[in-house]
Amino acid sequence: DTGVSQNPRHKITKRGQNVTFRCDPISEHNRLYWYRQTLGQGPEFLTYFQNEAQLEKSRLLSDRFSAERPKGSFSTLEIQRTEQGDSAMYLCASSLVRGEQETQYFGPGTRLLVL
Amino acid sequence: GQQLNQSPQSMFIQEGEDVSMNCTSSSIFNTWLWYKQDPGEGPVLLIALYKAGELTSNGRLTAQFGITRKDSFLNISASIPSDVGIYFCAGLDSGNTPLVFGKGTRLSVIA
Repeated sequence: DTGVSQNPRHKITKRGQNVTFRCDPISEHNRLYWYRQTLGQGPEFLTYFQNEAQLEKSRLLSDRFSAERPKGSFSTLEIQRTEQGDSAMYLCASSLVRGEQETQYFGPGTRLLVL
Repeated sequence: GQQLNQSPQSMFIQEGEDVSMNCTSSSIFNTWLWYKQDPGEGPVLLIALYKAGELTSNGRLTAQFGITRKDSFLNISASIPSDVGIYFCAGLDSGNTPLVFGKGTRLSVIA
């Protein structure tokens, strides 16, 4: 399978614990995005990387959230001191930018439940 | 900030009927993307549109990039039960800004 993969698919944690999610993009894609999706809403942008550089962060990304893409390939999203409001689906997407054209392909997501 | 208005919010249709949904934006987009999402899964790309006025088909799906660049629609012809899901439009106004998503259209198909 050459699509975007995410691990784990599901995570249940207690409030205050740290969690880390991993995203493996499509291999030749240079951009990697993280989104958060809550019930009844579309995905909301969190942050993105062009190769290993983190180029933009949303205001939704509080100080407890950190993302890395150390070698420009896979990425991790860590949430420290989780809160119940962090419960959501965390989606990763990757894209290959060609001129002005960009199409993002999504992974299956990691569903987080904070108890 | 940018907002996408997607309508309708939900639709109940009979199998075999055609479906139409649309998105409008408060600003101009250079790219419109349509995705379908099943429960517990990530969005799956259906159609990508890059030029104003562009009409693109993917099987029974047809989408158009509005000439004003502020709207797009998706049509599904001869709906079948597996069309059930949530359809999202998403827009991109340049290569350096994130996708903006609509809130989705939930489609239910009655056999």
